[in-house]
Amino acid sequence: NAGVMQNPRHLVRRRGQEARLRCSPMKGHSHVYWYRQLPEEGLKFMVYLQKENIIDESGMPKERFSAEFPKEGPSILRIQQVVRGDSAAYFCASSPTGSSGNTIYFGEGSWLTVV
Amino acid sequence: GQQLNQSPQSMFIQEGEDVSMNCTSSSIFNTWLWYKQDPGEGPVLLIALYKAGELTSNGRLTAQFGITRKDSFLNISASIPSDVGIYFCAGFIIQGAQKLVFGQGTRLTINP
Repeated sequence: NAGVMQNPRHLVRRRGQEARLRCSPMKGHSHVYWYRQLPEEGLKFMVYLQKENIIDESGMPKERFSAEFPKEGPSILRIQQVVRGDSAAYFCASSPTGSSGNTIYFGEGSWLTVV
Repeated sequence: GQQLNQSPQSMFIQEGEDVSMNCTSSSIFNTWLWYKQDPGEGPVLLIALYKAGELTSNGRLTAQFGITRKDSFLNISASIPSDVGIYFCAGFIIQGAQKLVFGQGTRLTINP
């Protein structure tokens, strides 16, 4: 997972606040994925982005969640009006292309706690 | 929901023993990846498999891409304490959206 940078590593928010999680992919990678992991569970796909495009957001909740990957800067996962159930680890991953022949490398995660 | 069934869910072994875990699916995959996750960390890629029947080793780890494209296994030989953690299989579905789906994980505990 070297090279995929996520921040913050830990974030505490009160119910109703907004959470913003940032991800800088590995150098040379133009594809970014976001996953959510609840305690003692596997990783659940949320969204797949290329620069300035959302390719697949089938795993994103319909409300309060959004993601972007602008032409310049990191990818952002935004959670508005957070609730306790949003508490989880959010992992970003990147790959050089979206082809399944490539490998995907993960960051170290952002742990969101909603109090 | 999950499209990969990973087993066993947990394993308790003695140091030095060999370990085997596997993933199966009703869907066809064209890439299988195996990751290890330590507490508080992100998944770390162990082995990547791209062709049906492919057998790949990485030190004491060996993984195979099943001929049917619906399964994969990971073996760890001569386990050591640092092998403790959660192991995940993941695969790209051969059709549809280009997303990596994960198994539920195998939690490995080693008694010294």
